[in-house]
Amino acid sequence: GAVVSQHPSRVICKSGTSVKIECRSLDFQATTMFWYRQFPKKSLMLMATSNEGSKATYEQGVEKDKFLINHASLTLSTLTVTSAHPEDSSFYICSAEVLTPEQYFGPGTRLTVT
Amino acid sequence: TQLLEQSPQFLSIQEGENLTVYCNSSSVFSSLQWYRQEPGEGPVLLVTVVTGGEVKKLKRLTFQFGDARKDSSLHITAAQPGDTGLYLCAGAIRLSGNTPLVFGKGTRLSVIA
Repeated sequence: GAVVSQHPSRVICKSGTSVKIECRSLDFQATTMFWYRQFPKKSLMLMATSNEGSKATYEQGVEKDKFLINHASLTLSTLTVTSAHPEDSSFYICSAEVLTPEQYFGPGTRLTVT
Repeated sequence: TQLLEQSPQFLSIQEGENLTVYCNSSSVFSSLQWYRQEPGEGPVLLVTVVTGGEVKKLKRLTFQFGDARKDSSLHITAAQPGDTGLYLCAGAIRLSGNTPLVFGKGTRLSVIA
């Protein structure tokens, strides 16, 4: 199957700093990528749809100024958590659409804000 | 708002037993995917069902899409400890691109040796 990578896999940062998470499609081009957030022992919550070359579409309740998404190329989307706070600590997962509507997921990034 | 109700939420069984996980909705989906997720990792796609009434088999796993495309089930025969994980169903409203998936809350399966 298609391979999606994420970097970093784990990150610890101090409150008030910003953190960038990268999502790459390794063996295919992805015009659409999705960013999800997952709380412990819960399902995935869609945060935003990332479209190559255009603005991301955010789900209701997700602050676009706090969670900056950039999809500058067909193989890379980035999520930047700005001015992170402890409540932003979570497991962030990206996915890429391969054969519509199938999505392949990255391995996730564990963010801990101290 | 499209919702997918998954049941049961938790399931703990002995090795060798059979089990079924259900995914139900009042909405019609153009397709439905099943994923399995292990702790600290991203979900892994198991299967996609598209046609109402479709049945797909993946070794000991059998997936079925309801005739009306509102529900789906996952049946595991002779469960093994390696089947342990979080099973997620996810539905797509449209078959066209750029379509977010609607996820169920997941079924956490534990198979005890």
